[in-house]
Amino acid sequence: SAVISQKPSRDICQRGTSLTIQCQVDSQVTMMFWYRQQPGQSLTLIATANQGSEATYESGFVIDKFPISRPNLTFSTLTVSNMSPEDSSIYLCSVRDSGGGTDTQYFGPGTRLTVL
Amino acid sequence: AQSVTQPDIHITVSEGASLELRCNYSYGATPYLFWYVQSPGQGLQLLLKYFSGDTLVQGIKGFEAEFKRSQSSFNLRKPSVHWSDAAEYFCAVGSNAGKSTFGDGTTLTVKP
Repeated sequence: SAVISQKPSRDICQRGTSLTIQCQVDSQVTMMFWYRQQPGQSLTLIATANQGSEATYESGFVIDKFPISRPNLTFSTLTVSNMSPEDSSIYLCSVRDSGGGTDTQYFGPGTRLTVL
Repeated sequence: AQSVTQPDIHITVSEGASLELRCNYSYGATPYLFWYVQSPGQGLQLLLKYFSGDTLVQGIKGFEAEFKRSQSSFNLRKPSVHWSDAAEYFCAVGSNAGKSTFGDGTTLTVKP
């Protein structure tokens, strides 16, 4: 199984600023994803982080607002840019592990972001 | 496009009673199906998953789910609920491209 860590675990930010969230996996994985969970709601996929190329964004999410980096197979960052209170959410990193004949999706503990 | 419906927003059961959480999905091919649990302030934990084979899937913490293709359902069951099972439960459907679509979740309350 893949173990995922995220930094920071939580933060309180001012409107108009940006925050970069880090995701570290303890093994090499092909597929990494970023999800958002707004207060009291379900998870929504933001983008697929592609190693060595630009991320693939879901409808409603754009690179200028959520730039993503993935420099290698174990690490990714998500930046929430020019934040507003509507960006207050839990941001989760996720990986798909399809090694060893299994196919399982794992989630990090999340980063709880509050924008004032 | 894939989608998941969890018809029950909130369910309350007594401790020791049986539990069934409903999940219906829409997907064009054979789906990858998951159930996750999220306790207050905690991350998501995978309870069980279905990809192929036996349609009755056993998971952790005594949970099981049954895939019924004819009904497009993947309901989660537990024969006897414990107070520690109180949490938010999410059903999800994934493609072989690795992206999952989540339902809106069902909040489970357990009465003593």
